[in-house]
Amino acid sequence: ETGVTQTPRHLVMGMTNKKSLKCEQHLGHNAMYWYKQSAKKPLELMFVYNFKEQTENNSVPSRFSPECPNSSHLFLHLHTLQPEDSALYLCASSQDNRGNTEAFFGQGTRLTVV
Amino acid sequence: DQQVKQNSPSLSVQEGRISILNCDYTNSMFDYFLWYKKYPAEGPTFLISISSIKDKNEDGRFTVFLNKSAKHLSLHIVPSQPGDSAVYFCAASRDSSYKLIFGSGTRLLVRP
Repeated sequence: ETGVTQTPRHLVMGMTNKKSLKCEQHLGHNAMYWYKQSAKKPLELMFVYNFKEQTENNSVPSRFSPECPNSSHLFLHLHTLQPEDSALYLCASSQDNRGNTEAFFGQGTRLTVV
Repeated sequence: DQQVKQNSPSLSVQEGRISILNCDYTNSMFDYFLWYKKYPAEGPTFLISISSIKDKNEDGRFTVFLNKSAKHLSLHIVPSQPGDSAVYFCAASRDSSYKLIFGSGTRLLVRP
């Protein structure tokens, strides 16, 4: 497999559930990102990992908890979410976290919180 | 306040004609700009980029123009094809940073 792969593609969860989103990249990149896309809003950067170290937390509530066990895998652990957290969650990777390089995105996980 | 704005949520163009997608930004420190294309049920894919030291970059049917004084960039697609129908996102970064700031997207429909 090549590129950036996200699982699951769709997720429906209750507000008391705990679930995790998974992202895997096969591009040999060193930086990985979580983005959130809500309806009719721009893509919002949530977290950045570079060489497995978190380098950015964009004021994300603690009910979202990222984990990066290695440069190829990134998780987003979810617990006690709110309905307004329903959105498309996109994972991306890039060669490293320096600028002027494009990010490659996964297909996203469509999350619905009920 | 949105630093990157795409004021047209949608655009419809006849096949073979030119599509022009616009993007405005407010932060004069942005020095790198990118366009991404997104089909339904897929993640965004990189299309073309431009550094602030240039005012034009061309790649096949796609050309990006940058007007720094107006803080405006545009993506030209010519000739437009039905397969170009997608949502196009403009993004910007500053100081060679990895942090991309995205616009809200423009949905392009190319009519056969």
